[in-house]
Amino acid sequence: NAGVTQTPKFQVLKTGQSMTLQCAQDMNHEYMSWYRQDPGMGLRLIHYSVGAGITDQGEVPNGYNVSRSTTEDFPLRLLSAAPSQTSVYFCASSYVDEQFFGPGTRLTVL
Amino acid sequence: EDQVTQSPEALRLQEGESSSLNCSYTVSGLRGLFWYRQDPGKGPEFLFTLYSAGEEKEKERLKATLTKKESFLHITAPKPEDSATYLCAVQAGSLSGGSYIPTFGRGTSLIVHP
Repeated sequence: NAGVTQTPKFQVLKTGQSMTLQCAQDMNHEYMSWYRQDPGMGLRLIHYSVGAGITDQGEVPNGYNVSRSTTEDFPLRLLSAAPSQTSVYFCASSYVDEQFFGPGTRLTVL
Repeated sequence: EDQVTQSPEALRLQEGESSSLNCSYTVSGLRGLFWYRQDPGKGPEFLFTLYSAGEEKEKERLKATLTKKESFLHITAPKPEDSATYLCAVQAGSLSGGSYIPTFGRGTSLIVHP
């Protein structure tokens, strides 16, 4: 089992560019989520999904889109990157209440 | 609004020196309280879920306890490999359902010196 995988590990964008952060899990978990982690703040939920075809907003959804066409994949799209989106992004999947996190993507927006 | 406050922000211990980390919370009906460990440059790693006051869970040198207002993560005879940031999170609701949006604390950075 690879668990939760995320690509890329690092990314630098210019303001206004768009990109997709990839997330995949091989544990057949229904629940998947995206978080951002900023210095001095706790992890904050961006979007989540309780199954294929179902997504919902978390605490800080603005500027991000998600879709869930399969159980395995949950990509996060930045529509028009802004410096405020500079952060470390974590994808997670869970079985009941045990969340498994990916290794993270460190994103810098210039 | 759900809130989670972790203290201290940072803690330095000598190997073998037991201590406790605190997680104080306010939530509109607790569905679960979660503890995670996070190593530098990595994603959080699940440790425990606690559901009701009085509940305790143990794993190696770690023991988590829960009251109606706070949770403690007790570290007994820590080793340098226990050095990490420990995160606490709460989720509102009940065992049959509730919010999918957890509230995380800022974490406690633990360093254990040999």
